[in-house]
Amino acid sequence: QSLLTQPPSMSAAPRQRVTISCSGSSSNIGNNAVSWYQQLPGKAPKRLIYYDDLVPSGVSARFSGSKSGTSASLAISGLQFEDEADYYCATWDDSLSAWVFGGGTKLTVL
Amino acid sequence: QVQLQESGPGLVKSSGTLSLTCGVSDDPIASLNWWSWVRQPPGKGLEWIGEIFHDGRARYNPSLKSRVSIKVDKYKNEFSLKLSSVTAADTAVYYCARLNAAIAVKLGDAWFDPWGQGILVTVSS
Repeated sequence: QSLLTQPPSMSAAPRQRVTISCSGSSSNIGNNAVSWYQQLPGKAPKRLIYYDDLVPSGVSARFSGSKSGTSASLAISGLQFEDEADYYCATWDDSLSAWVFGGGTKLTVL
Repeated sequence: QVQLQESGPGLVKSSGTLSLTCGVSDDPIASLNWWSWVRQPPGKGLEWIGEIFHDGRARYNPSLKSRVSIKVDKYKNEFSLKLSSVTAADTAVYYCARLNAAIAVKLGDAWFDPWGQGILVTVSS
């Protein structure tokens, strides 16, 4: 059971916007930055978002991140079939003294 | 372009020790970043194993701490993982990754990038 809660799966049609949530607590999201990772089938994770809402160069501007209190979100606009992947949030947990990942959200583009 | 590459045996016997190495290219391991290991059991999510700084300081996941050792070799620009007393539950794809802490305000604000391609390690009975 992860300290960061994500919906196990989501689905949406092409060109739609989807938001993936990541719920934590004051010892993790509430006190540390959140990063998001995309894992395509059979591939290594790839950083999408860091420092809660920063998009690195080379990552599509269709991806955006936000944080409020002890929850964070990843939004993907203009969904494309190539966005079908697993998405993970991550942050440091001060109580556990460990990096924690969300359980992952499998996104299906219908 | 920084690249990380895992290497080591893909099969380890139960109760034995898993040993992996991560070679780092185009980035000196003696930087202000940390170097991490993350694993992913088949069909499951990501689990942080631990990380090391170039001066030898290491941090481990409390759930694995008694069995894990991470070392760094600045001269070879690589770092390694040893996990002892393995069982079938340790079967996973093991990834190495750079923890970008150099420009983070505090270590807890860092992020993992880039990642190695991963190596599947199967624990056999």
